[in-house]
Amino acid sequence: DVKVTQSSRYLVKRTGEKVFLECVQDMDHENMFWYRQDPGLGLRLIYFSYDVKMKEKGDIPEGYSVSREKKERFSLILESASTNQTSMYLCASSLSASGANVLTFGAGSRLTVL
Amino acid sequence: DAKTTQPPSMDCAEGRAANLPCNHSTISGNEYVYWYRQIHSQGPQYIIHGLKNNETNEMASLIITEDRKSSTLILPHATLRDTAVYYCIVRVGGSARQLTFGSGTQLTVLP
Repeated sequence: DVKVTQSSRYLVKRTGEKVFLECVQDMDHENMFWYRQDPGLGLRLIYFSYDVKMKEKGDIPEGYSVSREKKERFSLILESASTNQTSMYLCASSLSASGANVLTFGAGSRLTVL
Repeated sequence: DAKTTQPPSMDCAEGRAANLPCNHSTISGNEYVYWYRQIHSQGPQYIIHGLKNNETNEMASLIITEDRKSSTLILPHATLRDTAVYYCIVRVGGSARQLTFGSGTQLTVLP
């Protein structure tokens, strides 16, 4: 089975800190995604990447950046964390853009910004 | 992507079949039906997907009506560990865009 591993399950940061959320997948998937999940708002796409060094903005990219230097790793960066970025962050990957394109999710990283 | 409608909550007795409905009346011919579930505080988990035909895997069965306007996810013998929010999603295959998760159905399996 594909495994998507997120580096931290729980993080607490202070306003203005730089935050790195790491995600690694082990099955050579081409596509990787970062979502945030908030009560009542469902999952919202922040960024996704369909290849190394390629990235595309999702629905809510403001305040975030991403990095994909290697195929298996997709990092989400909060340059200056703010309290409204307190959320559950979910990384996902999928094999390719063809066919059914099933997503495999990591366990999530719950970020609290004080 | 087509919009889906699911009941907000359902209960099921442990050991019985859980049948979760989903309406997707605006589905188009190249859109797949996907089911995911999310157990509290974990990432969503893929269950099953289908295009036109009914599908079965080790987790569940997916029944899609002939007109494709609705579907039912069946968990044949629900256990307490199946308590989760179940999401029905309809989208075109072959796209790297996100799946849009709605509110889903909170399934509670009762002992």
